Amino acid sequence: GDSVTQMEGPVTLSEEAFLTINCTYTATGYPSLFWYVQYPGEGLQLLLKATKADDKGSNKGFEATYRKETTSFHLEKGSVQVSDSAVYFCALRGFNNAGNMLTFGGGTRLMVKP
Amino acid sequence: DVKVTQSSRYLVKRTGEKVFLECVQDMDHENMFWYRQDPGLGLRLIYFSYDVKMKEKGDIPEGYSVSREKKERFSLILESASTNQTSMYLCASIRWAATDTQYFGPGTRLTVL
Repeated sequence: GDSVTQMEGPVTLSEEAFLTINCTYTATGYPSLFWYVQYPGEGLQLLLKATKADDKGSNKGFEATYRKETTSFHLEKGSVQVSDSAVYFCALRGFNNAGNMLTFGGGTRLMVKP
Repeated sequence: DVKVTQSSRYLVKRTGEKVFLECVQDMDHENMFWYRQDPGLGLRLIYFSYDVKMKEKGDIPEGYSVSREKKERFSLILESASTNQTSMYLCASIRWAATDTQYFGPGTRLTVL
């Protein structure tokens, strides 16, 4: 079945540092890939997405590129802020998944210190 | 904007109690989902529903049931709560076969004593 693996946290960075959170997946066909963010005390919000190979999703300074050859969708940001402290989830929606079910990774907590 | 609301943000119950968690969405979405979120395990699907009175088991349905009597409302029921059901519960919805992604509620943190 489909699966998503992401690096375990917590990841602790100083403000303005470069961020990478690794995400790799296993799926048949051509899944769509997502990054969700969960701020303290809130539900999940879609951060960015990519629906086909070589697509780059971007939002709020975050980027991730759909790499089919390495089955990866790593999240990056050039300069993190304290307000980016949250839990980040990588997820996939399988190809031809009319039910729109998502498979999630375990989540990575990011802590940014001033 | 799509809005998904959950009946409680925090809930404390005792072992053996029957617990109802309710979720309401206001965008006429066909599909609704219940997940539980645990540290290091991410989100795991408990049940989902494609339509009124339709339900399908997810990955971890044991100890849970659901009810979907109206399109906008999807309830999660813990028939006899146990301490291992202490968790964060998240509801989500999406239109059938949409290319968009799921919309999530704020979550209910349930503690079973």
